[in-house]
This record gives sequence, C-alpha cells and structure tokens, in this order.
Amino acid sequence: NAGVTQTPKFRILKIGQSMTLQCAQDMNHNYMYWYRQDPGMGLKLIYYSVGAGITDKGEVPNGYNVSRSTTEDFPLRLELAAPSQTSVYFCASSYVAGGLSEQFFGPGTRLTVL
Amino acid sequence: AQSVTQLDSQVPVFEEAPVELRCNYSSSVSVYLFWYVQYPNQGLQLLLKYLSGSTLVKGINGFEAEFNKSQTSFHLRKPSVHISDTAEYFCAVSDGFQKLVFGTGTRLLVSP
Repeated sequence: NAGVTQTPKFRILKIGQSMTLQCAQDMNHNYMYWYRQDPGMGLKLIYYSVGAGITDKGEVPNGYNVSRSTTEDFPLRLELAAPSQTSVYFCASSYVAGGLSEQFFGPGTRLTVL
Repeated sequence: AQSVTQLDSQVPVFEEAPVELRCNYSSSVSVYLFWYVQYPNQGLQLLLKYLSGSTLVKGINGFEAEFNKSQTSFHLRKPSVHISDTAEYFCAVSDGFQKLVFGTGTRLLVSP
C-alpha cells in the first residue's frame, strides 16, 4: 500500500494563478481531509469529506474548493492564489465506522505564492 | 470551542536524558486526545491516543502520556531519548466527530 500520496511536492505560483493539489489514498478510507500548516502553527482544517460526493468546510475554507468524485481521490483547488495561501498542505484519510479513528497523513505539498 | 496549548515551542535535551512535552487543552465536552510526530519533510504520524479507560497511555517508540482531567493536561514523556527522536510533536484534541484541533507544536532537539 502506498497510503496517502500527494502531488506535487513543491510548487511556486504567481498571485492570481490557479492550481490543483492532488491527493489519493489506496486504503479504502471513507473520510478524507485537507489541512494547511503555517510556520510555527499547528495544522488547520480546510475541508473534509465523509464519502464520495460529500464535502464540508473546515476551519479555514476561504479561497479553496474541493470535490470528491471517487473514494480514492480528494483534490484541493486554489482559484486565485494569494500570498496568504503560502503554506504546507497536508492531505489525510481515515476509516470511520462509528467512534473515533486514526488519521493517516500524506507527505505534504509545499506551496509558495509570490 | 476546543483548543490546545503547547507552551514550549522548542525543547533541547541531551541524548539518553528524560523529556516531557507539555500539552493543555480546553473543551466543554468529552475529549479525545492525540500526540502526533512529524519528522523533517514528512507527514504526521500518530504516536498515541487517549479515548477512554486508563489515564496512562503507551505509544510507539517508547513514548507515553498521562491524561489528567483535573489539570486538563495530556503531557508526553519518554524516559530516555535518542537522536532519532528529533522531530516536531503535535498535541491534538477531538470532540469525537473526526475533526482534530492541533496545538502549535513543540520542536524536540536531541543532541549527543
């Protein structure tokens, strides 16, 4: 199992450009999450999904969009990149069947907006 | 709303010495507590978790944590650290609905 994979590893964007951060998991997990990690800060939840076709906002959703057309994939879209979106982005997944479950994290995407 | 405070942003320690990383939380409902470790340029990995039962929780790599409800704390300890324990450690809390709230992290620096 590859676990949770993220592409690209690094990316530099200009202000106003758009891009999609890819996330995939091969563990048949129903829940998936997107977090951002700013320097000196903990992770903050951007969006999450409880299954294909179902997404919901987290703590910091502004400036982002997500979709979940399959169980495996959960891409994060930035439409108009801003310097405030410079961060490290982590995707995670978990299998939830009643009760709390462990989240498994990908290696992250480091994004710089100039 | 839930929150997590990790007062120490950085903890330097010598190899084979004991270490304690502090975590305090606030929550108005039942809490579930976690410690995650992040090695350089990697994602987060679960060290241990407290869901219910015994307040002393043992995790991977020789780490343990104690849940103290009266002091709203969940401090992480290891009796003897190794160079390979150098990493960032995050405490997190959940109200049971799968969403985690993370602390700002503590960087553990182990030197020979």
